Amino acid sequence: IQLTQSPSSLSASVGDRVTITCRASQGISTYLAWYQQKPGNAPKLLIYAASTLQSGVPSRFSGSESGTDFTLTISSLQPEDFATYYCQQIKSFPYTFGQGTKLEIE
Amino acid sequence: EVQLVESGGGLVQPGGSLRLSCAASGFTLSTYDMNWVRQAPGKGLEWVSYISDSGRTTYYGDSVKGRVTVSRDNAKNSLYLEMNSLRAEDTAVYYCAREAPPSMRDAFDVWGQGTMVTVSS
Repeated sequence: IQLTQSPSSLSASVGDRVTITCRASQGISTYLAWYQQKPGNAPKLLIYAASTLQSGVPSRFSGSESGTDFTLTISSLQPEDFATYYCQQIKSFPYTFGQGTKLEIE
Repeated sequence: EVQLVESGGGLVQPGGSLRLSCAASGFTLSTYDMNWVRQAPGKGLEWVSYISDSGRTTYYGDSVKGRVTVSRDNAKNSLYLEMNSLRAEDTAVYYCAREAPPSMRDAFDVWGQGTMVTVSS
């Protein structure tokens, strides 16, 4: 199952609302997760089951699903949100990740 | 504290072998499926391998199939990745990751800090 993530990079400002999209090549139900990764660090789980916020993750993060299209939205960017974001399907093997979206300060 | 700590990375020549370890603490390893994920320098995440909680079921990514073996010792709270016939393209940070229960749609909820593997002559 291929995941096409867009955009590959994004420039935004603190306070902006941003949306990242992940499209699956076939149906994966809600077996989709979103991760945040900062340079030199391991990925961190943000959202699982397409739209459920992981414990401890700020509520400005949200996820949604429409068929094979998934979105990660950050409602109001904070300085600590500038990072790379990945989607992942855990529906079937081989598990796959999207190519990543690098979120940079404008 | 729930924690995963990888070790065993290093510099190895092409064609060589390496065994990575992942030590789990703060939770009962035997009740979780586990995975290895790698990340080449400056690149994205690539899933490498899966092993079920009992160790009876394993899966591998196409890029490593036949060269890599995942195993675990639940009594020692440890996960392993045996890598053989290493190639330059295997150069990456290798992470072990815990697979959450089905109620969380199997997301990877705990990650180690990673161990770097460099394949070069």
